[in-house]
Amino acid sequence: GQQVMQIPQYQHVQEGEDFTTYCNSSTTLSNIQWYKQRPGGHPVFLIQLVKSGEVKKQKRLTFQFGEAKKNSSLHITATQTTDVGTYFCAGPLGNQFYFGTGTSLTVIP
Amino acid sequence: DGGITQSPKYLFRKEGQNVTLSCEQNLNHDAMYWYRQDPGQGLRLIYYSQIVNDFQKGDIAEGYSVSREKKESFPLTVTSAQKNPTAFYLCASREYGRGNTEAFFGQGTRLTVV
Repeated sequence: GQQVMQIPQYQHVQEGEDFTTYCNSSTTLSNIQWYKQRPGGHPVFLIQLVKSGEVKKQKRLTFQFGEAKKNSSLHITATQTTDVGTYFCAGPLGNQFYFGTGTSLTVIP
Repeated sequence: DGGITQSPKYLFRKEGQNVTLSCEQNLNHDAMYWYRQDPGQGLRLIYYSQIVNDFQKGDIAEGYSVSREKKESFPLTVTSAQKNPTAFYLCASREYGRGNTEAFFGQGTRLTVV
């Protein structure tokens, strides 16, 4: 069954508002990765976090890995219409590579 | 130009027919994966392979089969036993055994069974 959950499943924001998606794993992860899938496209790698409590930034995107390495978050500041898509967290669990349930972001101009 | 290629992009099949989806990569990756994505849903793991001639079932392997005869290729067969095969299928590859590496995806195959 699904071992990596994300909330919320859907989020509609007005352009310029902030957005956050949360990822929770039932087990400790050695690392966590984030991907973005544009509508009609395929997932594209954004970033990887490895260390407990790690925080990384990419322009308006801030990624955080929890202290227990079981949860993570992605925060977008001042969303733009180009941020539209579904954001997935992902990580290795045993020999498998699991993706979270995803958060679909809609940005209203 | 390195990458991972899935074909075809769109596929239509009649109910009861088996169909094979192609996935080829020239990234020299050991690990390859097949995921299924339904509208508004996440990615569910069907099968994965870490090495040639070896593969394991994921969470939703029933009704699917795979082979890994070559490192570059990991075809997925959707059999008539799959109850609801209409979906978007994504193939991915990544390095394995060298720490933590990102997954690269193909463009996907949208399968419609009528």
